[in-house]
Amino acid sequence: AQTVTQSQPEMSVQEAETVTLSCTYDTSESDYYLFWYKQPPSRQMILVIRQEAYKQQNATENRFSVNFQKAAKSFSLKISDSQLGDAAMYFCAYRRGNTGNQFYFGTGTSLTVIP
Amino acid sequence: DTGVSQDPRHKITKRGQNVTFRCDPISEHNRLYWYRQTLGQGPEFLTYFQNEAQLEKSRLLSDRFSAERPKGSFSTLEIQRTEQGDSAMYLCASSLGWGGEAFFGQGTRLTVV
Repeated sequence: AQTVTQSQPEMSVQEAETVTLSCTYDTSESDYYLFWYKQPPSRQMILVIRQEAYKQQNATENRFSVNFQKAAKSFSLKISDSQLGDAAMYFCAYRRGNTGNQFYFGTGTSLTVIP
Repeated sequence: DTGVSQDPRHKITKRGQNVTFRCDPISEHNRLYWYRQTLGQGPEFLTYFQNEAQLEKSRLLSDRFSAERPKGSFSTLEIQRTEQGDSAMYLCASSLGWGGEAFFGQGTRLTVV
């Protein structure tokens, strides 16, 4: 079974600084997708960034980037130049490749941005 | 159609009553998911539809839970004989094709008293 682990229940960062959120996963598959979702206090989850396992290049979306280490099964999220609006719960998620139906989520990391 | 919509946003019900939630996915999305989320936890998978076919159900989905997606459009999730342990946020999401990310609705918060 696939599992996703986020070992940091809470993190904080000073505004304009950089923070890294950790995620590890367990799978025997070679084809899969990884995602970081953000859930602000309003509770609607929105996609931050996605990574295809077959791609060696780390995904980047503006201030958000990932460090994807396939052999180590690690998928961390780096937020640069943190802004107050980045404060939220962040969930790491895994989905199998072509036959994958469900998304597996970690327990989340609550990020606080300190002005 | 700008996103996934769920109705109602909040539902308070007495234990033992039946409740039904509705989800309208993004119109071109063929895949629809239901998740349950309790406070401080990540979403837990309940069930998945591809078009109108329910292809996967979690063991979390007891026989009191039933989901439908007639005509492959909107979906309903019904909980019969609600229990206090059913109190949670019920999230609906949709996606398109293989590898597509899931787009989530704002959820329905159920409180069973």
